[in-house]
Amino acid sequence: AQSVTQLGSHVSVSEGALVLLRCNYSSSVPPYLFWYVQYPNQGLQLLLKYTSAATLVKGINGFEAEFKKSETSFHLTKPSAHMSDAAEYFCAVSDLSPGTYKYIFGTGTRLKVLA
Amino acid sequence: SQTIHQWPATLVQPVGSPLSLECTVEGTSNPNLYWYRQAAGRGLQLLFYSVGIGQISSEVPQNLSASRPQDRQFILSSKKLLLSDSGFYLCAWSVKGDRNEQFFGPGTRLTVL
Repeated sequence: AQSVTQLGSHVSVSEGALVLLRCNYSSSVPPYLFWYVQYPNQGLQLLLKYTSAATLVKGINGFEAEFKKSETSFHLTKPSAHMSDAAEYFCAVSDLSPGTYKYIFGTGTRLKVLA
Repeated sequence: SQTIHQWPATLVQPVGSPLSLECTVEGTSNPNLYWYRQAAGRGLQLLFYSVGIGQISSEVPQNLSASRPQDRQFILSSKKLLLSDSGFYLCAWSVKGDRNEQFFGPGTRLTVL
């Protein structure tokens, strides 16, 4: 069965510093992976997705993620944090059970950006 | 373009009262539909999903039920709310097919007192 682990429920970075949010997955076959962002009291917005094409995936708002099969990881990065990046971030993997069309979400990482 | 609506945006209900939350999608047909709940400080819990009218799959036994009376309408209900039903409820949709991304609505904040 597929699973997702997000290391660090809270991450703090200074404005202008590198953002690194960690996601590790477990899957017996090549997965489809997603990163979502959630601002307070709002729904989730898709940042980027990996669907077995390029291993380095670029998303919105300057974020990118690299799929590393050897490390079973899909970490999210941004070179320079902005105050507006403060939000909660969720990694998700697509459930491979036939006909289910479900995602398995990580528990989320809350990003705090310090001025 | 596609849009997803949820209402109400916020709701405060007493314990034991009924519940009805509605989700509608515009600009697409025959979507997969999902209900999630976020309890305070916790991640996303999938409650129900639907691949078609009248087809509901329940993920977690609980005090809630879901219905899909029309192609683009998804309703979450309860006959008697519990304190533990408080949370942020999110509806989502996706295009049919293999592992397409899900698109989320703005959510409903439910407080049960």
